[in-house]
Amino acid sequence: SQQGEEDPQALSIQEGENATMNCSYKTSINNLQWYRQNSGRGLVHLILIRSNEREKHSGRLRVTLDTSKKSSSLLITASRAADTASYFCATPGDGDDKIIFGKGTRLHILP
Amino acid sequence: DTAVSQTPKYLVTQMGNDKSIKCEQNLGHDTMYWYKQDSKKFLKIMFSYNNKELIINETVPNRFSPKSPDKAHLNLHINSLELGDSAVYFCASSYSAADTQYFGPGTRLTVL
Repeated sequence: SQQGEEDPQALSIQEGENATMNCSYKTSINNLQWYRQNSGRGLVHLILIRSNEREKHSGRLRVTLDTSKKSSSLLITASRAADTASYFCATPGDGDDKIIFGKGTRLHILP
Repeated sequence: DTAVSQTPKYLVTQMGNDKSIKCEQNLGHDTMYWYKQDSKKFLKIMFSYNNKELIINETVPNRFSPKSPDKAHLNLHINSLELGDSAVYFCASSYSAADTQYFGPGTRLTVL
């Protein structure tokens, strides 16, 4: 299965600290996406990183991709209470006809 | 201006009933999806349609029947509801498969 696997499953940090979550996958991919899901809401796309990119930034988010290790990381700097959510990585399925979501990392920002 | 909308937001019904969930997107996307998210938050694709044609049917029981009257709408009809169908169902859309997806707010289905 191409499903990415996030690590850790859950993470609690103090507001203002940085949060890092990782995603590992099994086969070669063209791109990898990260999504956020706030409680009771739909998923929101954060960043798409292509296989020829090593790092990408968007505001306080930094995503890296290491195709040799088949892993990606999402770093949220200077965390805020509003960052409390589940974060999912998603990779293309076989044939690129869909994306497959991992099981997510539940991030809790403590006040 | 909601990009992907779903109705209803909540659905509580008895086992054995038939129900429908509607989805509409105003993004001009060609591809639409239905996902099921279980109590452990695992998100699994059920169907995808491209320009009204069924592309993916992920071993979903045939009690679930999607219908796409046009490329902006993808509805999900469920017959003979079972307890195990209780979940949150998300509609999503994208320009093409494996592209960035835009999700609706979800429909929480509870089967009693």
